[in-house]
Amino acid sequence: QVQLQESGPGLVRPSETLSLTCTVSGYSISTGYYWGWIRQPPGKGLEWIGSIYHSGNTYYNPSLKSRVTISVDTSKNHFSLNLTSVTAADTAVYYCARDSEVGATRLFDYWGQGTLVTVSS
Amino acid sequence: DIQMTQSPSSLSASVGDRVTITCRASQSINTYLNWYQQKPGKAPKLLIYAASSLQSGVPSRFSGSGSGTDFTLTINSLQPEDFATYYCQQSYTTLPYTFGQGTKLEIK
Repeated sequence: QVQLQESGPGLVRPSETLSLTCTVSGYSISTGYYWGWIRQPPGKGLEWIGSIYHSGNTYYNPSLKSRVTISVDTSKNHFSLNLTSVTAADTAVYYCARDSEVGATRLFDYWGQGTLVTVSS
Repeated sequence: DIQMTQSPSSLSASVGDRVTITCRASQSINTYLNWYQQKPGKAPKLLIYAASSLQSGVPSRFSGSGSGTDFTLTINSLQPEDFATYYCQQSYTTLPYTFGQGTKLEIK
């Protein structure tokens, strides 16, 4: 059973960098699939941030691209999110998920439980 | 970006009812449309992919249809555990993936 678990600080100061890690169990990242980050501001909808392949190939939401870096460490079976220059608008629950492909359809089939990150001084 | 618009934004229904949620894309997305269910404090759960394919383990009372720009999620014979928020998501283009704003299904 594939499981994902987010970890990282729950509070980040404005203008600083938000850093989260998603540890995967039950599946080796180096085997394949893309792995993604999605966020959800309190009481609002879902926003895809970006995804990374096990080889390191990435693609990002253009609206966040200038501030986002996603990296992968296959030796630790985890991938990470860095979001720079954060503001209160970046306060959200951050989810990691497996970005799978069935036929030609991309979908998120396994999700972490989510972690709330608050941006505040 | 492809905009995804769901209707209604909220819906009240009773156990045993049949409900339909609609998702409209701002341009044709073929059948690259997924549906997720989210309960309070939980991660979204994949229900339907490729517009009409049922994810493994999802009850058959859930079904999806549509292609192009208009899609529907139907829940037959609502169960208490179905009261949640539902999101559609397009994967026609990955730059970026986009979600609908959500439809909250509440108990009448």
